[in-house]
Amino acid sequence: QQPVQSPQAVILREGEDAVINCSSSKALYSVHWYRQKHGEAPVFLMILLKGGEQKGHEKISASFNEKKQQSSLYLTASQLSYSGTYFCGTARTGANNLFFGTGTRLTVIP
Amino acid sequence: DTGVSQDPRHKITKRGQNVTFRCDPISEHNRLYWYRQTLGQGPEFLTYFQNEAQLEKSRLLSDRFSAERPKGSFSTLEIQRTEQGDSAMYLCASSFLSYRGQVPNYGYTFGSGTRLTVV
Repeated sequence: QQPVQSPQAVILREGEDAVINCSSSKALYSVHWYRQKHGEAPVFLMILLKGGEQKGHEKISASFNEKKQQSSLYLTASQLSYSGTYFCGTARTGANNLFFGTGTRLTVIP
Repeated sequence: DTGVSQDPRHKITKRGQNVTFRCDPISEHNRLYWYRQTLGQGPEFLTYFQNEAQLEKSRLLSDRFSAERPKGSFSTLEIQRTEQGDSAMYLCASSFLSYRGQVPNYGYTFGSGTRLTVV
């Protein structure tokens, strides 16, 4: 039930772009994205609902392809503050809780 | 609103002892979740409540684990006869469930967690 994320880790220089992918083998209602910095709790970034919508928050946006049961998180013009581990959380059709992927560690260097 | 509070932040216990953790969710939120996270892994679902009702419990969860949410306010998670494999960060989250059409719409607010070490 756990979604699969790729890549596992990525290192970027400030200003570069990155894409993080999340894929599930189950039909999904929605996909959440969270960022967790070392020693801190995960912080909610955005939710994408069934319907294939794309959402954005400043330079971080995401898409959800419900037919392929996949979501992608796009980080453009990365900043040092983007460093952390990104988790997707998937809500399956008929379920009321999230299953989280194993995470993608993003490191942004000057 | 001070967010989701968890207590204690750290707990070290001897194998075989019982431990109890507390979570105070955001007061307007009607759902409360417990997750467990080990190093390098994503949060693993344990159980969740809608108001005071415990609606789902992970099948992976041992009978040594029990959770309550009396009166739909704070929640407690108890682990009996702790084992070294229980060592992890225990995260509580709350959310407010709404619907966009037929699709549930909610985002989790996590607490800072309780780090349990079983020695």
